[in-house]
Amino acid sequence: EAEVAQSPRYKITEKSQAVAFWCDPISGHATLYWYRQILGQGPELLVQFQDESVVDDSQLPKDRFSAERLKGVDSTLKIQPAELGDSAMYLCASSVGTSDTQYFGPGTRLTVL
Amino acid sequence: DQQVKQNSPSLSVQEGRISILNCDYTNSMFDYFLWYKKYPAEGPTFLISISSIKDKNEDGRFTVFLNKSAKHLSLHIVPSQPGDSAVYFCAARPTGNTPLVFGKGTRLSVIA
Repeated sequence: EAEVAQSPRYKITEKSQAVAFWCDPISGHATLYWYRQILGQGPELLVQFQDESVVDDSQLPKDRFSAERLKGVDSTLKIQPAELGDSAMYLCASSVGTSDTQYFGPGTRLTVL
Repeated sequence: DQQVKQNSPSLSVQEGRISILNCDYTNSMFDYFLWYKKYPAEGPTFLISISSIKDKNEDGRFTVFLNKSAKHLSLHIVPSQPGDSAVYFCAARPTGNTPLVFGKGTRLSVIA
């Protein structure tokens, strides 16, 4: 069964350092999402791509976060510099289209010290 | 302002009994609802969904009920199994190309 792949699974970094997360969506899924989930909360959308284009990045803290999906397939989410409050689970999801069911990857657990 | 509310942070049920997880929403523009299950250290797994034009959808042991007038949906799991122990998230999608809105989740514990 096709799955969304993410790496790394865990990342520990010190504040002010740069971190990057990678996501490979299910083959054929044009829509890709990055979510952040803080413990005890539901996932919150950071950015949504349709192919290589950003559809929604209204909740992305653009002073420190960036995301790209250059070839419309895999995607990278970067944080620079990381802050203590960025500690969370970062989830990637994909769907065939914007109205279709989203399937999530295993996530990257980020701890900022 | 939370648009999707799961008011019970946790629920314990005995194996074999019915588990009922509840979700309330405030936005009448939501037209599609989903339930996801999440185990620790894993991403959410899609479980079941329902369109706003329906009031019930069933898949094996899982049934979702939608009461639009009350802006309430519920997930029924029967019979509950120990492997069902996880955090369950309710999610809703507004009409149009807008993102899912998730509740905070309910932790279900099925006791053998």
